[in-house]
Amino acid sequence: QVTLKESGPVLVKPTETLTLTCTVSGFSLSGDRMGVSWIRQPPGKALEWLAHIFSTDEKSYSTSLKTRLTISKDTSKSQVVLSLTNMDPVDTATYFCARAVAYRYVNSFDVWGQGTMVTVSS
Amino acid sequence: QSALTQPASVSGSPGQSITISCTGTSSDVGGSKFVSWHQQQSGRAPKLIIYDVSNRPSGVSNRFSGSKSGNTASLTISGLQAEDEADYYCSSYTSTATLVVFGGGTKLTVL
Repeated sequence: QVTLKESGPVLVKPTETLTLTCTVSGFSLSGDRMGVSWIRQPPGKALEWLAHIFSTDEKSYSTSLKTRLTISKDTSKSQVVLSLTNMDPVDTATYFCARAVAYRYVNSFDVWGQGTMVTVSS
Repeated sequence: QSALTQPASVSGSPGQSITISCTGTSSDVGGSKFVSWHQQQSGRAPKLIIYDVSNRPSGVSNRFSGSKSGNTASLTISGLQAEDEADYYCSSYTSTATLVVFGGGTKLTVL
């Protein structure tokens, strides 16, 4: 059974860096075409794609947030980590990690984590 | 503002069919077959229901179907059921610097 689970802080202060971990099971992060994206959803708003890491370790970022985002993985731990610097209240959202099975043309996410709600407030 | 344009809401009665549109550009929806639809029920994580324009993952009802014409993709739900009430999001691969774009979401109400 393929599962993904997000973990990280519930509350961060403005200007701090958010670090989230996605722990996967049921597949290998180095497996053929196996990649993981981070996607967020502010309360009552739409989904927003943030970043993706491919099985090859190639990374891709949202152009609007690229300067603040870093995605990485530890295959031995089955973990994908997302960092978002200089947090602001507008970054308050539920953050999801999701699997995408693709060499390059990422568009669909077949398994999602439950999501973790992050609030930015002083 | 989302990169892909969806109607904010649609509604239908049980048994009816509805269609949700998703309009993009030649850099995303119009430029490839890599368009998907996800269903998000209240308080839950999204669920993939259509990938690569018109393919259904195993276990997804054949009442859900997808298509594309030019820069617009569409999701059709036939034989509406109360359980279909949810938010629906389209997503597409994009040839721009950003890899993936989502639509703004459409809230489906089953009357």
